Amino acid sequence: AQKITQTQPGMFVQEKEAVTLDCTYDTSDPSYGLFWYKQPSSGEMIFLIYQGSYDQQNATEGRYSLNFQKARKSANLVISASQLGDSAMYFCAMREAMDSNYQLIWGAGTKLIIKP
Amino acid sequence: GAGVSQSPSNKVTEKGKDVELRCDPISGHTALYWYRQSLGQGLEFLIYFQGNSAPDKSGLPSDRFSAERTGGSVSTLTIQRTQQEDSAVYLCASSPDRRRMYNEQFFGPGTRLTVL
Repeated sequence: AQKITQTQPGMFVQEKEAVTLDCTYDTSDPSYGLFWYKQPSSGEMIFLIYQGSYDQQNATEGRYSLNFQKARKSANLVISASQLGDSAMYFCAMREAMDSNYQLIWGAGTKLIIKP
Repeated sequence: GAGVSQSPSNKVTEKGKDVELRCDPISGHTALYWYRQSLGQGLEFLIYFQGNSAPDKSGLPSDRFSAERTGGSVSTLTIQRTQQEDSAVYLCASSPDRRRMYNEQFFGPGTRLTVL
């Protein structure tokens, strides 16, 4: 079974609108962390935001926020006031504490295109 | 400070040749990861090094793939007898301490490998 599922292969959004990128995960480990990365066309992977399973509040970093719904096992990324520079691939990833190697398990990604 | 660097940035080779890809992690980072990313796809884990411990090679797709990490720093990924299906971007990432759940992975710019 997929551990990280990103159901939106691609999205088009109008500039300045808010965007929600979906991510659902599957784990039996009570301790885990969730990450979002951005990959522009240049290819570099850029860390955006982190949410720990025991964090009481949703993580926020500037225009990025994470809508963490633990019971639903979802960790959607919300980008407020989208900009043209937000056009990129976005990857959701998870780390489980029970994994002694602390690997990141990656979703397939969502391609976001911001329209002017 | 310097980020993760990879060389070469691009490599074109003929089928059957061997190639070496290099990764210089961020100084002091104990964890080093290699991933493969085919066009438009997510990240495929290849191998993980943690300090001087035996590497986790569980992601290597065949025995044509191998990797070394010398002195706990620089790593080389070697692909022997390259095949056309090896064409992809090879990404390297490093992380400061695997024991911390929230530690992000810092990625290099990748090496784009094309096997003709």
